[in-house]
Amino acid sequence: DSGVTQTPKHLITATGQRVTLRCSPRSGDLSVYWYQQSLDQGLQFLIQYYNGEERAKGNILERFSAQQFPDLHSELNLSSLELGDSALYFCASSVGGGMSYEQYFGPGTRLTVT
Amino acid sequence: AQTVTQSQPEMSVQEAETVTLSCTYDTSESDYYLFWYKQPPSRQMILVIRQEAYKQQNATENRFSVNFQKAAKSFSLKISDSQLGDAAMYFCAYRSAPSGGYQKVTFGTGTKLQVIP
Repeated sequence: DSGVTQTPKHLITATGQRVTLRCSPRSGDLSVYWYQQSLDQGLQFLIQYYNGEERAKGNILERFSAQQFPDLHSELNLSSLELGDSALYFCASSVGGGMSYEQYFGPGTRLTVT
Repeated sequence: AQTVTQSQPEMSVQEAETVTLSCTYDTSESDYYLFWYKQPPSRQMILVIRQEAYKQQNATENRFSVNFQKAAKSFSLKISDSQLGDAAMYFCAYRSAPSGGYQKVTFGTGTKLQVIP
């Protein structure tokens, strides 16, 4: 158990809908990362937050957004969902925001868009 | 743009034997980190080993070691005394933070390792 929690574990929704994925980092970690793992695109880095501020942005679509709250939990919002958004979404956390810090991954949220 | 290539989609190894997974990357940056992650059927991503680019010494973690060739941009993972629990997908990852810029993270496509009893 990495100490990172993600809810829900599974989510099934229809095209065009909007969903919110939630992540709670390990105690003491200030940085949260979001990743998408799909059959088509493999593992992709989406976005990073550090202590409430956006720190880095990867291949995140405009339909997707994220935020980190004062209690350091983070939410990833996916809107106007398409079939291709079906994937496993990971959250990871680290103590610091730099590249040298080890990232601890959560168990992921499996999103299925029908 | 940084790219990470894992040319072996699948590998197999006999239990107790040694196997090497390959990874090459392309970058123009001098300061970066390289990682190997393991993803078992449970889908949990687990860090296996990491290497700082500025360190010449190859990283080692118990039965796992890397062969880091910076000039050749190669970062292979050697698993010694393979165990059934080593069966998983293995991902090579590159992470950098250019001065004044955003941190970048790139993963390879993965190598599926099968361990034969």
